[in-house]
Amino acid sequence: AQSVTQLDSQVPVFEEAPVELRCNYSSSVSVYLFWYVQYPNQGLQLLLKYLSGSTLVESINGFEAEFNKSQTSFHLRKPSVHISDTAEYFCAVSLLAAGTYKYIFGTGTRLKVLA
Amino acid sequence: DVKVTQSSRYLVKRTGEKVFLECVQDMDHENMFWYRQDPGLGLRLIYFSYDVKMKEKGDIPEGYSVSREKKERFSLILESASTNQTSMYLCASSLVGQGGNQPQHFGDGTRLSIL
Repeated sequence: AQSVTQLDSQVPVFEEAPVELRCNYSSSVSVYLFWYVQYPNQGLQLLLKYLSGSTLVESINGFEAEFNKSQTSFHLRKPSVHISDTAEYFCAVSLLAAGTYKYIFGTGTRLKVLA
Repeated sequence: DVKVTQSSRYLVKRTGEKVFLECVQDMDHENMFWYRQDPGLGLRLIYFSYDVKMKEKGDIPEGYSVSREKKERFSLILESASTNQTSMYLCASSLVGQGGNQPQHFGDGTRLSIL
């Protein structure tokens, strides 16, 4: 069965430190991969996506994610976090299942940036 | 920018009431979705629609129904509200795209409490 696993439910990190939020997926077919961010009391916003081409994708606010097909992973990284990065981050995959495209979300990782 | 608007940010209803949650998008998207978000469970798909008057069950449709009479509007209906339907409800929309490669655009959510 297809699934998305975010191994860490909460990640505390000090300001200006690097962070990696892990995402693994399980699928035997090709996938498209997404990271979304949810700030308090808001809906989800697209952070970045991998559709094809270069396996390293970047967002405008310094996050990057690398698609690793052999490890079926799409980990999100930032070299130096800010207080304003405190939010919940969701990994998602889009894949073909039973003749239709299905979107599957992970359970989320709550990033807490400490001063 | 795509705008997905949910009619209420907070809603309090009583057990047994019929509850309507409304969602409107302004970018002519074909696909619309309703999710519920609960701590530790991530986003779970209730229903989605890929065209006017078309609907498909998601992973947890029990106790819910939907209506899509116009392309821009997708309504979620709780036929007889119960306390276990207390949750955050998120509406999203997307283009059809090519092979599921389109991101979803989310509203800010409706926090529903059933007393």
